[in-house]
Amino acid sequence: DAKTTQPPSMDCAEGRAANLPCNHSTISGNEYVYWYRQIHSQGPQYIIHGLKNNETNEMASLIITEDRKSSTLILPHATLRDTAVYYCIVRVAWGEPSSGGSNYKLTFGKGTLLTVNP
Amino acid sequence: EAQVTQNPRYLITVTGKKLTVTCSQNMNHEYMSWYRQDPGLGLRQIYYSMNVEVTDKGDVPEGYKVSRKEKRNFPLILESPSPNQTSLYFCASKPWKGNTEAFFGQGTRLTVV
Repeated sequence: DAKTTQPPSMDCAEGRAANLPCNHSTISGNEYVYWYRQIHSQGPQYIIHGLKNNETNEMASLIITEDRKSSTLILPHATLRDTAVYYCIVRVAWGEPSSGGSNYKLTFGKGTLLTVNP
Repeated sequence: EAQVTQNPRYLITVTGKKLTVTCSQNMNHEYMSWYRQDPGLGLRQIYYSMNVEVTDKGDVPEGYKVSRKEKRNFPLILESPSPNQTSLYFCASKPWKGNTEAFFGQGTRLTVV
């Protein structure tokens, strides 16, 4: 799985958009970009994922650059409850021959601590 | 509501006293997994299970056992806990197929003294 690089921390004002970057310059053509977050000591929570097109759901938007070497997670109107560690993960989809067999393991790096301030 | 439920949420025990942390999911997922999270080390996989009666080791299986007798349950067993197993534990589940999300439990904070 491709390695990712994220800033260790970011601040955002409540009500503003939070833009969290992730670099994955060694991403392969069949690898997806996933975002999870972990609110203090709770279980990680899935946010969104994408392959090459931009994606949006009720929680966030994912913007992937055309060369796929980086992406940005956007929380359009951050609230205090969005304060969490955000993880960017790059890996092949379940069932891909290069997925390490059948083990769906998510390798979490250090992530970005997003602090939303009042 | 779709969820992964772990019990207990908090546990303090003594070295050598066998314990079991339960994990149950109500989504009929085939795949389940256990992780531990330690400061500076992130989440590390302990064991995983592809389906009933099919389990395998993750990255840090030493000192742990698991079983998968039913699809919904995946207990983590510490036969003889030691202080280095003090950690925050998470159970996760996912459907067998499809590029879908993994669901995580709320965590079990274990302290072994």
